[in-house]
Amino acid sequence: GQNIDQPTEMTATEGAIVQINCTYQTSGFNGLFWYQQHAGEAPTFLSYNVLDGLEEKGRFSSFLSRSKGYSYLLLKELQMKDSASYLCAVDSNYQLIWGAGTKLIIKP
Amino acid sequence: DAGVTQSPTHLIKTRGQQVTLRCSPKSGHDTVSWYQQALGQGPQFIFQYYEEEERQRGNFPDRFSGHQFPNYSSELNVNALLLGDSALYLCASSPLATSSYNEQFFGPGTRLTVL
Repeated sequence: GQNIDQPTEMTATEGAIVQINCTYQTSGFNGLFWYQQHAGEAPTFLSYNVLDGLEEKGRFSSFLSRSKGYSYLLLKELQMKDSASYLCAVDSNYQLIWGAGTKLIIKP
Repeated sequence: DAGVTQSPTHLIKTRGQQVTLRCSPKSGHDTVSWYQQALGQGPQFIFQYYEEEERQRGNFPDRFSGHQFPNYSSELNVNALLLGDSALYLCASSPLATSSYNEQFFGPGTRLTVL
């Protein structure tokens, strides 16, 4: 079967750093995406990894290890507006398989 | 650039009824995917349309059907609605034919409530 696991909820402090982990088991792999979704809104694209290593984009970075079926999203200098759900999704034979999302709560 | 648009925004139906949801892709995109997202869950892939044909399908019953038009817009039809069909229905478009990877751009979604 196809499975993506990520923590249900995480809490962090404004200005701090948080790492959201994602592990996956899928029949195919054409890349891994991270999306941000605010409550009641559509997901918006954050990052894409297809090769092992770290991709940095401003305050957000994403890491991939294909051999371990593992990725993480690193958010630095947290702001209150970063309170949202973060979804990990794997492109498995051109079909996106999604995790349930990690709800990130930012405290002042 | 209008981005991905969906209509209607909200919809209330009763069990057994049928519903049609509509999606217009982002300009330049030729592929449309539909997802069902239950509250507190990640999106579940329903199907994907490319060149007016269903290209991929997730684990959804035949009550869920779709169509893509020559202008790349798409419809999702659900027959014999069940209470469990209540969810946010998301449409996403992507430039599959020209993109190196399957980045999808999402519309705002249609919130379907089945009573």
